[in-house]
Amino acid sequence: QQPVQSPQAVILREGEDAVINCSSSKALYSVHWYRQKHGEAPVFLMILLKGGEQKGHEKISASFNEKKQQSSLYLTASQLSYSGTYFCGTGASGNTGKLIFGQGTTLQVKP
Amino acid sequence: ETGVTQSPTHLIKTRGQQVTLRCSSQSGHNTVSWYQQALGQGPQFIFQYYREEENGRGNFPPRFSGLQFPNYSSELNVNALELDDSALYLCASSLAGVYGYTFGSGTRLTVV
Repeated sequence: QQPVQSPQAVILREGEDAVINCSSSKALYSVHWYRQKHGEAPVFLMILLKGGEQKGHEKISASFNEKKQQSSLYLTASQLSYSGTYFCGTGASGNTGKLIFGQGTTLQVKP
Repeated sequence: ETGVTQSPTHLIKTRGQQVTLRCSSQSGHNTVSWYQQALGQGPQFIFQYYREEENGRGNFPPRFSGLQFPNYSSELNVNALELDDSALYLCASSLAGVYGYTFGSGTRLTVV
């Protein structure tokens, strides 16, 4: 089943923070986060494995709550380059090959 | 790193025809996955290949088939094309499928 992302869309001013959530009804082994700009390939941001770890990537970090089957992506002090559609992809077993992606969250950062 | 290369970038086919899409994996990656992405939607998993064997399949009919070659490049074949097959087809490679995926820019298929 497809994970549910929220919000569907968000508009920010440069320097503002945002949180994107990803919830699944199934037990998760891993969560991937990708950003896709219009007309381009999705770009890998980070992967989180079960264990509730939090990871960081520049000013973008994420957490994974295995018990709640949720992950959150945190964007701090947003930059214009952060604009795009963010997808979470969930893996339900040790073989993370089959990723089920959410419907995406569109983020627009304005000057 | 050369990244993931897909060809062709755009394709127009007639309903009922067959199509082959190609993907060259990133250097050092041994796993290839194919995804279908409709406009405004997240990618939908078609199947994955690991060491030339299919290693997982999504909810796609058998007319979607694939191959992985010894150099880890891959093909996606779709027979008896339907109008609903119109989409962006993405290829993604990784190392053993347990790390993040590197996606290609995709092939935009239009079925008329």
